Amino acid sequence: DAKTTQPPSMDCAEGRAANLPCNHSTISGNEYVYWYRQIHSQGPQYIIHGLKNNETNEMASLIITEDRKSSTLILPHATLRDTAVYYCIVRGYMDSNYQLIWGAGTKLIIKP
Amino acid sequence: DTGVSQNPRHKITKRGQNVTFRCDPISEHNRLYWYRQTLGQGPEFLTYFQNEAQLEKSRLLSDRFSAERPKGSFSTLEIQRTEQGDSAMYLCASSFSGVGTDTQYFGPGTRLTVL
Repeated sequence: DAKTTQPPSMDCAEGRAANLPCNHSTISGNEYVYWYRQIHSQGPQYIIHGLKNNETNEMASLIITEDRKSSTLILPHATLRDTAVYYCIVRGYMDSNYQLIWGAGTKLIIKP
Repeated sequence: DTGVSQNPRHKITKRGQNVTFRCDPISEHNRLYWYRQTLGQGPEFLTYFQNEAQLEKSRLLSDRFSAERPKGSFSTLEIQRTEQGDSAMYLCASSFSGVGTDTQYFGPGTRLTVL
């Protein structure tokens, strides 16, 4: 079973920041939080990942709470091309089991 | 572009036929994964290779499914005697097990339709 819970859908106005929440209350100390997105009929696209510190790259920022039980993906200036399903995944580093376990994700719709 | 590539992108076949898909990982990536995704669901893990060794297989991978990765480069996924329930998107991902967290990068997928 997926180790994360996300809202099934969200809307955001174009040009505004999109904040996507994720709960991972059972996360353990060596598990990373990964975010991917999937635009309709395409393969998943890696966005960002983090362990406990906040992370930022050219696509997004990842804010992880101090207790690591939840996180927020921030798209700072959403565009129509950011409309996609966003997946939050918890994965252990150096697991013997390397698979990513996916939930249902959040369908983000960017509105003009 | 040197990302993960998959061929074909689309495959339509009749029930009972065999199909084979190919995945070319990112150069230097030693790990390769296959996932299956049905409509409205997240991807489900099928199998994983480190170099040429197939190290893990999901219970979803029935006897009709076989995957290979000769010489630790490209990989093929074959489905024998296809069934309508095999209709799905088949995704390939690759990663490098060096320093860092082994981030998986995905290809565009192969969409299989079994009639």
